[in-house]
Amino acid sequence: GAVVSQHPSWVICKSGTSVKIECRSLDFQATTMFWYRQFPKQSLMLMATSNEGSKATYEQGVEKDKFLINHASLTLSTLTVTSAHPEDSSFYICSASNRGQGADQPQHFGDGTRLSIL
Amino acid sequence: AQSVTQPDIHITVSEGASLELRCNYSYGATPYLFWYVQSPGQGLQLLLKYFSGDTLVQGIKGFEAEFKRSQSSFNLRKPSVHWSDAAEYFCVLQGAQKLVFGQGTRLTINP
Repeated sequence: GAVVSQHPSWVICKSGTSVKIECRSLDFQATTMFWYRQFPKQSLMLMATSNEGSKATYEQGVEKDKFLINHASLTLSTLTVTSAHPEDSSFYICSASNRGQGADQPQHFGDGTRLSIL
Repeated sequence: AQSVTQPDIHITVSEGASLELRCNYSYGATPYLFWYVQSPGQGLQLLLKYFSGDTLVQGIKGFEAEFKRSQSSFNLRKPSVHWSDAAEYFCVLQGAQKLVFGQGTRLTINP
């Protein structure tokens, strides 16, 4: 079945550091991927839609200069948290669907990245 | 407007007991609906999906869900829960451009 891999699963770094998170579709091509943020005991909040070969579409209130998204290939999207601060600490999750098998394919989620900024 | 409501934030059931998690949606067309499960510190795993056809949908791990258009509901059920079912459950609607998530229901299993 469709698998989405996310890396790293956990990262701890100092304030001011930039952190890159990768999201890969392992056995299908994904023209669109999605990035979510999840606070403890809350639901997922969509941050942005990552479009292969074009600019990402950000949700209202999400700083595009803070959360850089690059979707350079059909199997890889990256989220870079620039100059991270403690308030950026969160659980970040990506998803993608295998639209090559039809528009009714469900989203498959990565295992998430726990980001802790000291 | 597109929305998903899971009325129960937290449910506790005994192991072996039956389970029903409620989900109500609001959508202007025939919805695509999903149930996902999330274990602590993990991503989301698809349990089942409804696109069209049979309104009773079977999923993995013994779960099923019934789509009821008249009630705008898509409740998740399992006849006998196992301790490993303890997790967070999300009812999700496929909107026009993106997924719409319910608030989630945390399931605790008593031994």
